[in-house]
Amino acid sequence: KQEVTQIPAALSVPEGENLVLNCSFTDSAIYNLQWFRQDPGKGLTSLLLIQSSQREQTSGRLNASLDKSSGRSTLYIAASQPGDSATYLCARGGTYKYIFGTGTRLKVLA
Amino acid sequence: EAGVAQSPRYKIIEKRQSVAFWCNPISGHATLYWYQQILGQGPKLLIQFQNNGVVDDSQLPKDRFSAERLKGVDSTLKIQPAKLEDSAVYLCASSLLSTGANVLTFGAGSRLTVL
Repeated sequence: KQEVTQIPAALSVPEGENLVLNCSFTDSAIYNLQWFRQDPGKGLTSLLLIQSSQREQTSGRLNASLDKSSGRSTLYIAASQPGDSATYLCARGGTYKYIFGTGTRLKVLA
Repeated sequence: EAGVAQSPRYKIIEKRQSVAFWCNPISGHATLYWYQQILGQGPKLLIQFQNNGVVDDSQLPKDRFSAERLKGVDSTLKIQPAKLEDSAVYLCASSLLSTGANVLTFGAGSRLTVL
């Protein structure tokens, strides 16, 4: 069974901290790994997509890495801000579909 | 470009009633997905269309859920009859293709409450 796990389930940090969100998956035969942000009551917004041939992608204060051999991806957020508070979901892209993790609820305290 | 449009945003019904959700994907996107997201969980794929053909509907409860994508553009997801456990947000997403380097773009979702 293909599974995607995210740890921790919830995280609360003071503003300005650098933080790491983890995503692990059981099937290493992936096409890509996509990170999303979800604000309460809203849909999902794509943050970063890492192709299976890549090791990392960066966008502003966000950096995502992918290690297929260990079945892991990490999302690094630098200098966190209260506006970063949201749920972060990773999704493993396979041949035909994406499988989502359960998410990490992040709260950045001002 | 316009995003993925969904309606209605909110719907409250009683159990055993029926409900329908509509989705208009990004223009030119061949692949359309319906996900169910129960509170506190990640989205679960219900059905995936490639143009107007079904690619995957293995997790669609076919005794009560149905979906169609006429002409390979808009899609409708129907639930009949609804159960309490169907309370969730129904997310529609689209992508250019179904494999590889394809970014999923989501709509705002339709929140269903079954009483």
